[in-house]
Amino acid sequence: NAGVTQTPKFQVLKTGQSMTLQCAQDMNHEYMSWYRQDPGMGLRLIHYSVGAGITDQGEVPNGYNVSRSTTEDFPLRLLSAAPSQTSVYFCASSRKRGPYSPLHFGNGTRLTVT
Amino acid sequence: RKEVEQDPGPFNVPEGATVAFNCTYSNSASQSFFWYRQDCRKEPKLLMSVYSSGNEDGRFTAQLNRASQYISLLIRDSKLSDSATYLCVVNPMNFGNEKLTFGTGTRLTIIP
Repeated sequence: NAGVTQTPKFQVLKTGQSMTLQCAQDMNHEYMSWYRQDPGMGLRLIHYSVGAGITDQGEVPNGYNVSRSTTEDFPLRLLSAAPSQTSVYFCASSRKRGPYSPLHFGNGTRLTVT
Repeated sequence: RKEVEQDPGPFNVPEGATVAFNCTYSNSASQSFFWYRQDCRKEPKLLMSVYSSGNEDGRFTAQLNRASQYISLLIRDSKLSDSATYLCVVNPMNFGNEKLTFGTGTRLTIIP
């Protein structure tokens, strides 16, 4: 039981490049989400999904796309990277949408955009 | 006022001491509360949920004060391994997890 697996751990992009951050969970969790964490700020929600085929925007969705074709996978796509997207990205899942269902986080992706 | 506020610290505490920190929240309708810990350059991990009557898990005690709108975390007999950042997480209206609000965290360092 691996939990939530994120890849890659580190990534450096040039401005304008695109890439996909992968996230997979093997706990049959209904809810999945992507956060970014910046110094001095709390975790901010980018996109989330309440089940396969269903996604919605969070607090800071601009510049990112997601899809959820299976229960297990929830990739995050950066369409055209910008320096403002330099951050640490976390994927998180929970058994149910909430509100009492705690989040399980992946180990993060450190992204630098130059 | 921020939705969730925490003293950023750092709290530097000798090993074996008791330490407590609070987290205030602005929405009086908030129903669910959590403490997560985050080690340096690692992911957040659930430490404990906070129940209305207060709850304890070993050396850790979490309490909720609805009248004053804060939750607290008390760590007794602190260990070096308790050094981490502690994140307060609040669900403002008992909605789904997409509404969770994270504090910026309180950094705790336990000194040998």
